Amino acid sequence: RKEVEQDPGPFNVPEGATVAFNCTYSNSASQSFFWYRQDCRKEPKLLMSVYSSGNEDGRFTAQLNRASQYISLLIRDSKLSDSATYLCVVNRDDKIIFGKGTRLHILP
Amino acid sequence: NAGVTQTPKFQVLKTGQSMTLQCAQDMNHNSMYWYRQDPGMGLRLIYYSASEGTTDKGEVPNGYNVSRLNKREFSLRLESAAPSQTSVYFCASRPSVYTEAFFGQGTRLTVV
Repeated sequence: RKEVEQDPGPFNVPEGATVAFNCTYSNSASQSFFWYRQDCRKEPKLLMSVYSSGNEDGRFTAQLNRASQYISLLIRDSKLSDSATYLCVVNRDDKIIFGKGTRLHILP
Repeated sequence: NAGVTQTPKFQVLKTGQSMTLQCAQDMNHNSMYWYRQDPGMGLRLIYYSASEGTTDKGEVPNGYNVSRLNKREFSLRLESAAPSQTSVYFCASRPSVYTEAFFGQGTRLTVV
């Protein structure tokens, strides 16, 4: 079993819709959590950090549930420019552990 | 605002040739990482350096060596390239376990 697991998708979603991604992690000693975005053949870039209290950045909301060991990302009012791969990332000690990513296609 | 700089951006090698991928960061980060990314496989950790003077194997270290030359630089060496090492290689750095990582733009390596 991979330490960080995500549904690979693809999610094909009409523009303006709300889409939610989940991610699970297996090691309860994990220390910090993030969502990254990766566009085709480009480097991953930080989308947002994830906290138990939840955090929001415009149309994006992220939430951490430590008890259940899952992380969520909600995108509201999706735009064509949101089409990308979304990576769930967990820091544990010296390592950075990536999920395989969830592909999102926003349809016009 | 250079951040993490990787060189070269593209490289074609013949099987058996050697090369070194360079990575430098100007953010005074302690930890540095090398990943490879293949279609359908996600990002896989090759080697990492938690601090200057230390290096450790990741998930897929075979066929690679690394050097943490100083706090800024972390290089990845392929001693005898194989077609299975055709991939996109990313270098990353971060200041601490509680912070995000910053990535270089990647090196696209093809071994023929």
